[in-house]
Amino acid sequence: AQSVTQLGSHVSVSEGALVLLRCNYSSSVPPYLFWYVQYPNQGLQLLLKYTSAATLVKGINGFEAEFKKSETSFHLTKPSAHMSDAAEYFCAVTQSSGANNLFFGTGTRLTVIP
Amino acid sequence: EAGVAQSPRYKIIEKRQSVAFWCNPISGHATLYWYQQILGQGPKLLIQFQNNGVVDDSQLPKDRFSAERLKGVDSTLKIQPAKLEDSAVYLCASSPYGTASTDTQYFGPGTRLTVL
Repeated sequence: AQSVTQLGSHVSVSEGALVLLRCNYSSSVPPYLFWYVQYPNQGLQLLLKYTSAATLVKGINGFEAEFKKSETSFHLTKPSAHMSDAAEYFCAVTQSSGANNLFFGTGTRLTVIP
Repeated sequence: EAGVAQSPRYKIIEKRQSVAFWCNPISGHATLYWYQQILGQGPKLLIQFQNNGVVDDSQLPKDRFSAERLKGVDSTLKIQPAKLEDSAVYLCASSPYGTASTDTQYFGPGTRLTVL
């Protein structure tokens, strides 16, 4: 079975500061991992995904994430926060074989302080 | 390219009433998903179609929920009768190919259901 845990339901950072959103996964088979962003009243948009090609994954809007098998983590980072980054962020996992159901974490709401 | 379309965007009903949601996926996408997102939680898969066949409906409460994807294009999700705990955002997503785990899922804006 697959699952993800997102530490911190709310994260606040100052504009220009480092953004770090944490995600740990549990999977009995090699996982594929995803980060999605959800702006108010909108659907989810893919930021980036890890599919075993490279452990450091770069996504849209300056975000990146590093797959660390030893720590079972896939934390999302951005060097400098913008006001437009304020949104809810979801980590998700699926298995590398068989059904491709996405299992989502509970989300982290990012607030950017001017 | 047009995105995933959903309607209505908002719906308010009383418990025990029926409701239906509609989804039109991105043109040419083989796989369609319905998710339920309860406030404060991540989306949870209800049902997955590949073309017009069901791939996974293990989390669909079949005593009250039903879904169909006739002709392998658009889809309808129905709740009959609704309960208070069905209040949630219902998200539709589509992906281009079959059930490959690397496929990106593209989400619609969702339908926010409030059951009073």
